[in-house]
Amino acid sequence: EPEVTQTPSHQVTQMGQEVILRCVPISNHLYFYWYRQILGQKVEFLVSFYNNEISEKSEIFDDQFSVERPDGSNFTLKIRSTKLEDSAMYFCASSRDRGQGYSGNTIYFGEGSWLTVV
Amino acid sequence: GEDVEQSLFLSVREGDSSVINCTYTDSSSTYLYWYKQEPGAGLQLLTYIFSNMDMKQDQRLTVLLNKKDKHLSLRIADTQTGDSAIYFCAESTGGFKTIFGAGTRLFVKA
Repeated sequence: EPEVTQTPSHQVTQMGQEVILRCVPISNHLYFYWYRQILGQKVEFLVSFYNNEISEKSEIFDDQFSVERPDGSNFTLKIRSTKLEDSAMYFCASSRDRGQGYSGNTIYFGEGSWLTVV
Repeated sequence: GEDVEQSLFLSVREGDSSVINCTYTDSSSTYLYWYKQEPGAGLQLLTYIFSNMDMKQDQRLTVLLNKKDKHLSLRIADTQTGDSAIYFCAESTGGFKTIFGAGTRLFVKA
């Protein structure tokens, strides 16, 4: 079964450093997403990306964050100057069509990247 | 605003039924979902239900939706130790964003 892959699985970084989390979405998918989950809290939507631009973003996704699809296969989340509160599990996801459940569309999630900011 | 709430823990004995409950606030929710997360793995979509349905059954899984009370439940029949995981309730209005709860950790005792 096709899957979304994420690297690294775990990264420890110092506060103030830049971090890039990488994702390889499922190959024929057109919509891409980042979610995060702070330990013990809810999974939160960060951003969705379609046709090389952001289609929706949450309040969490401020100027510190950016997303990019640098080539035909990777989808990246960059955090420019990490803060302690950025420590979380970051999930990448992709879907063939827009949104979740729409016309039977399903969003597929990766296994997540654990980011620890010290 | 949109919110999804669920209890954090549930413990059952192997062979019993598990019922995981969830409440949501957005009355315009069109789709409601249950995801499963096993240790070290991503979020796996288990099942979903459209808001115009009351019930959906898929093998050992039964989803019940009470739209009036904005209450969703997931029943797992004949729970096995392999069902031990975190179960997330989620909802969307069909747009880009899915709203998740904090997850219910299911412990299955042998």
